[in-house]
Amino acid sequence: SQQGEEDPQALSIQEGENATMNCSYKTSINNLQWYRQNSGRGLVHLILIRSNEREKHSGRLRVTLDTSKKSSSLLITASRAADTASYFCATDPYNFNKFYFGSGTKLNVKP
Amino acid sequence: DTGVSQDPRHKITKRGQNVTFRCDPISEHNRLYWYRQTLGQGPEFLTYFQNEAQLEKSRLLSDRFSAERPKGSFSTLEIQRTEQGDSAMYLCASSLDALGEKLFFGSGTQLSVL
Repeated sequence: SQQGEEDPQALSIQEGENATMNCSYKTSINNLQWYRQNSGRGLVHLILIRSNEREKHSGRLRVTLDTSKKSSSLLITASRAADTASYFCATDPYNFNKFYFGSGTKLNVKP
Repeated sequence: DTGVSQDPRHKITKRGQNVTFRCDPISEHNRLYWYRQTLGQGPEFLTYFQNEAQLEKSRLLSDRFSAERPKGSFSTLEIQRTEQGDSAMYLCASSLDALGEKLFFGSGTQLSVL
């Protein structure tokens, strides 16, 4: 499978704490994207990191990419109850704009 | 820009019936994708289009599944002779046709096969 795999599968933290989730993938990629999904809804794009980038920030989100280890991490700082959702990484291993998703990390932020 | 819309939001059907779902992408997007998602899993790629051309259909998809995108606008996904294993959320997404473009998802159609 060309899918990314997220770790951990589930994460429960208190509001205000930081949340870190990881994604590992199998093939070389041009870019990696992170998406969020609230329960029963469609996915929303969060951030894209290209293979020549090592770190990227967007608001409270920080994404890193290590192409030598074929892994990426998503850090959410100062988490809020509204961050409760599932988070997925998506890769496009063949550069066809055809995206494969991992199984996701389910984040629960307790108020 | 009204986003990606899917219809219906929910569909309950009996085993053996045919069902059809519709997706209206963002108007200027020439790429359109269908994914299937079961509980606790990530979206699984089914098929995608560039304008009206179907570029690829997943090998995991049986011949009971067919998708069309006439005139490169809206798309339909039909499942014939539904089985209980077809129960899932069917997600549609669209994007511009360029490397690294992000996907915009609809809210999905939840299919329950009884």
